[in-house]
Amino acid sequence: DTAVSQTPKYLVTQMGNDKSIKCEQNLGHDTMYWYKQDSKKFLKIMFSYNNKELIINETVPNRFSPKSPDKAHLNLHINSLELGDSAVYFCASSLALGQGIGSTEAFFGQGTRLTVV
Amino acid sequence: AQKITQTQPGMFVQEKEAVTLDCTYDTSDPSYGLFWYKQPSSGEMIFLIYQGSYDQQNATEGRYSLNFQKARKSANLVISASQLGDSAMYFCAMRPNSGGYQKVTFGTGTKLQVIP
Repeated sequence: DTAVSQTPKYLVTQMGNDKSIKCEQNLGHDTMYWYKQDSKKFLKIMFSYNNKELIINETVPNRFSPKSPDKAHLNLHINSLELGDSAVYFCASSLALGQGIGSTEAFFGQGTRLTVV
Repeated sequence: AQKITQTQPGMFVQEKEAVTLDCTYDTSDPSYGLFWYKQPSSGEMIFLIYQGSYDQQNATEGRYSLNFQKARKSANLVISASQLGDSAMYFCAMRPNSGGYQKVTFGTGTKLQVIP
């Protein structure tokens, strides 16, 4: 079973379209994230949710709207796609601080390569 | 604010030799966690090793060890006996422990190439 799964793996779409990326984790983690990795491989956090509650929003354009229907799912919806949105988007999850013992490393999905044309 | 610096954009190492990937960090938080991730060309992010700021001993996981020098704010990754499959991007990351804050900040990465 895949621990963190995100779909689709590849997404090619035209400018101006609206698209969604889905993410699910079966690790029982309370915290989930969305990261964006640009063409230079730089990973930047976009959002972090803890138990369905948004706790980090890193000055992401409001065209990006995360939705967490339950703590195992964190979907990313993007409106009015722009060329600059082309990147690899990673979903991740981790134990919340204080949840369990040991390290709280993030487990990543396989990434979604979004190409806007 | 926290910052992670990886000053080596690319490195080469001969197969079977050891290599050190540098990472320095800056944070005002007294308690934090440090992580290393590997990203092969296939794109997935693979967790390698973790070091807590209050851990007395340097972390080790198989061929990976973390050379943690708290006073210098450095957390270098050492890979012993390099293998061809170690060729990948390596990211250092940090997460503060204060206030339940969940932000993990990544460095810019080091591309390691293992030469046969």
